[in-house]
Amino acid sequence: SQTIHQWPATLVQPVGSPLSLECTVEGTSNPNLYWYRQAAGRGLQLLFYSVGIGQISSEVPQNLSASRPQDRQFILSSKKLLLSDSGFYLCAWSRGGKETQYFGPGTRLLVL
Amino acid sequence: RKEVEQDPGPFNVPEGATVAFNCTYSNSASQSFFWYRQDCRKEPKLLMSVYSSGNEDGRFTAQLNRASQYISLLIRDSKLSDSATYLCVVIVYGQNFVFGPGTRLSVLP
Repeated sequence: SQTIHQWPATLVQPVGSPLSLECTVEGTSNPNLYWYRQAAGRGLQLLFYSVGIGQISSEVPQNLSASRPQDRQFILSSKKLLLSDSGFYLCAWSRGGKETQYFGPGTRLLVL
Repeated sequence: RKEVEQDPGPFNVPEGATVAFNCTYSNSASQSFFWYRQDCRKEPKLLMSVYSSGNEDGRFTAQLNRASQYISLLIRDSKLSDSATYLCVVIVYGQNFVFGPGTRLSVLP
């Protein structure tokens, strides 16, 4: 069976500090991978998606970036965090663009 | 107009009640539809896909009306454990998932 992991589970960072969130998927190969952000009381906002190693598409221009160094690894980064970057960051995978997406447990980020 | 809109909620219903959520989408080229459930401070989880002919899974019934561009979710005999936020998801061909803002349900004892 497939599993998706994210870490850390929670993170408190000062404004201006860097960020690195990691997501890994097990039990499947060549998945589509996604990063979402959910602000408190809001819907999910797609940030990045990837259909293969090294292929990243950005949905929203901002101070975040994503990388996919390995088939089942997806990383979300920032060089300098903003207060507005606080939120619940969710990684998801799917077998294809129209297929069901399965979410990881998420990382709760608080920028102070 | 937003791509996907849902009943604003919250819905507060007693145990055993029947509750219905509606979701409308703006893009007539939308192809696939899902309902996800998200518990407080947890990740969304797939509740059910929505098929053109409508589909049922136990106490849950999903329906699609392409002409009016809306989907619905009906929950019968509500349980306390049904309390969650219900997210409508729409996929347009060649594009990614578009999530609605969600409707929060509280089932009260």
